[in-house]
Amino acid sequence: DAGVTQSPTHLIKTRGQQVTLRCSPKSGHDTVSWYQQALGQGPQFIFQYYEEEERQRGNFPDRFSGHQFPNYSSELNVNALLLGDSALYLCASSRGETQYFGPGTRLLVL
Amino acid sequence: QKEVEQDPGPLSVPEGAIVSLNCTYSNSAFQYFMWYRQYSRKGPELLMYTYSSGNKEDGRFTAQVDKSSKYISLFIRDSQPSDSATYLCAMSDTGNNRKLIWGLGTSLAVNP
Repeated sequence: DAGVTQSPTHLIKTRGQQVTLRCSPKSGHDTVSWYQQALGQGPQFIFQYYEEEERQRGNFPDRFSGHQFPNYSSELNVNALLLGDSALYLCASSRGETQYFGPGTRLLVL
Repeated sequence: QKEVEQDPGPLSVPEGAIVSLNCTYSNSAFQYFMWYRQYSRKGPELLMYTYSSGNKEDGRFTAQVDKSSKYISLFIRDSQPSDSATYLCAMSDTGNNRKLIWGLGTSLAVNP
């Protein structure tokens, strides 16, 4: 049983560009959450998707948007990238109890 | 003040030692408490989950929650070099499958 998968694993962008990160949830899971983890910090909650709708959102600007597809996979989009957006982006999936995390996408903004 | 405080360490112990990790929090609405382990360049892995106050034991790991003091702990007995990782506490007021608020993480090194 494959766990949570994310792509790409690493990404380098320049300021002002846009990026799309992808997440496939663990089999049987219907809820996807996204977190941003800066170096040396704990993860920060971006938003959560359930039944293709954003159910909960953290304190992130509108530059951060997402989508969930009918197969429960999800995308995170970030527009107008800033240097401060450089971080590890984690996807977690769940169905009922407990969130399971993927390995993350490491984004570097130059 | 952050909602969740956790000493980032680093913490270095000899193999076989008992390790004590802890977090304090300020939001009395938190009811769900988790400990995650994160190896370098990997995603967090759930170790322990506790609802409300009390103790929970799983093998060499024991989690304790004291809601009156807003203090949670993770104990690791007979620590092994493979336990070397960053340990993060996380908590939620709405469920452990909803928005999680995290500590900074404590870096632990267990030396053979």
